[in-house]
Amino acid sequence: EVKLLESGGGLVQPGGSLRLSCAASGFTFADFYMSWIRQSPGKAPEWLSFIRNKANSYTTEYNPSVKGRFTISRDDTQNVLYLQMNTLRAEDTAIYYCAKHERAFDYWGQGVMVTVSS
Amino acid sequence: DIQMTQSPSFLSASVGDRVTINCKASQNINKYLNWYQQKLGEAPKRLIYNTNNLQTGIPSRFSGSGSGTDYTLTISSLQPEDFATYFCLQHNSFPWTFGGGTKLELK
Repeated sequence: EVKLLESGGGLVQPGGSLRLSCAASGFTFADFYMSWIRQSPGKAPEWLSFIRNKANSYTTEYNPSVKGRFTISRDDTQNVLYLQMNTLRAEDTAIYYCAKHERAFDYWGQGVMVTVSS
Repeated sequence: DIQMTQSPSFLSASVGDRVTINCKASQNINKYLNWYQQKLGEAPKRLIYNTNNLQTGIPSRFSGSGSGTDYTLTISSLQPEDFATYFCLQHNSFPWTFGGGTKLELK
């Protein structure tokens, strides 16, 4: 069974940083592309970033809304996906999900809440 | 960016009804269109991928169709567990974008 478990969320002040983690199990993590997606309360989801697998050189894609502030990475030895978030703004407040890729997002984690507020 | 216009935003229906939800892309997305269902407090669940392919384990009352810029999700006979919010996603070109959602409510 595919399981994705996000952690690392919480309350952070504007301008601060946070690193999210996503622990994966139930599939061969190293073989799959992975993404981060967020969803503000009552809104549609927003795709943030995408990382390919080793066979595709771990190349990445970003939504322009977060490019330059957020960095996606992965550790295939630990089956963990990361999202480093810098220079956080109030509008980054959302639930953040990691998702496994097979024809875009086939499985999502349960999400972790990030609140940016002073 | 490709804009996904989803309609209707809200839909009231009864158990047993046939319902359709639409997504219109601002440009051709070559059938790279997925549908997701989200229940309150839960992560989205994929129903359909690449326009008309049913995700494993999803009931056959769900179906998808479309091409070019226009796509449709159909639920042939609503069941009580289908009342939820539905989103489309285009994954033809970056940034991948979602529709605004359709909240399906019990009439």
